[in-house]
Amino acid sequence: NAGVTQTPKFQVLKTGQSMTLQCAQDMNHEYMSWYRQDPGMGLRLIHYSVGAGITDQGEVPNGYNVSRSTTEDFPLRLLSAAPSQTSVYFCASSYYGSQETQYFGPGTRLLVL
Amino acid sequence: KNEVEQSPQNLTAQEGEFITINCSYSVGISALHWLQQHPGGGIVSLFMLSSGKKKHGRLIATINIQEKHSSLHITASHPRDSAVYICAVEEYGNKLVFGAGTILRVKS
Repeated sequence: NAGVTQTPKFQVLKTGQSMTLQCAQDMNHEYMSWYRQDPGMGLRLIHYSVGAGITDQGEVPNGYNVSRSTTEDFPLRLLSAAPSQTSVYFCASSYYGSQETQYFGPGTRLLVL
Repeated sequence: KNEVEQSPQNLTAQEGEFITINCSYSVGISALHWLQQHPGGGIVSLFMLSSGKKKHGRLIATINIQEKHSSLHITASHPRDSAVYICAVEEYGNKLVFGAGTILRVKS
């Protein structure tokens, strides 16, 4: 099993550009989520999904869109990149329900100039 | 006030020392997770606790639900233990709220 994969590993964008961060998992997990990690702060939830066709907002959703057309894939779209979106982004997945181990992808480091 | 507070923020230890990292939270939870993040690397789950104590190798995690407090202990620390240790609480469903992390450096 590849686990949770993310692409790209690193990306530089100019302000106003759009891009999609890819996330895929091969563990048949229902729950998938996107987090951003900023220095001195804990990981913050951007969006999450409890199954194909179902998404919801987390703590910091503004400027990001998600979709979940399959169980395996959960892409995160930046509509118009801003310097405040410079961060490291992690995707995670788990079985749905309480007390389930979450599996994290390797992260995408994004720099917005 | 953050829902999840970790202490210390930074910790430097000599190889072989016993290490304790603390986590306090302010809400009712269904579980508490301890995670490890190596420099430049991904995040891996170490423990998930809803009560009592768990041990894996040199790592021990405890939780006191009544006091809303958990500790992660590392016995006989080694330089390869150097990493960021993150506490996260699960309030309901799968959603986690994270602490800011404790940066641990173990010197040889």
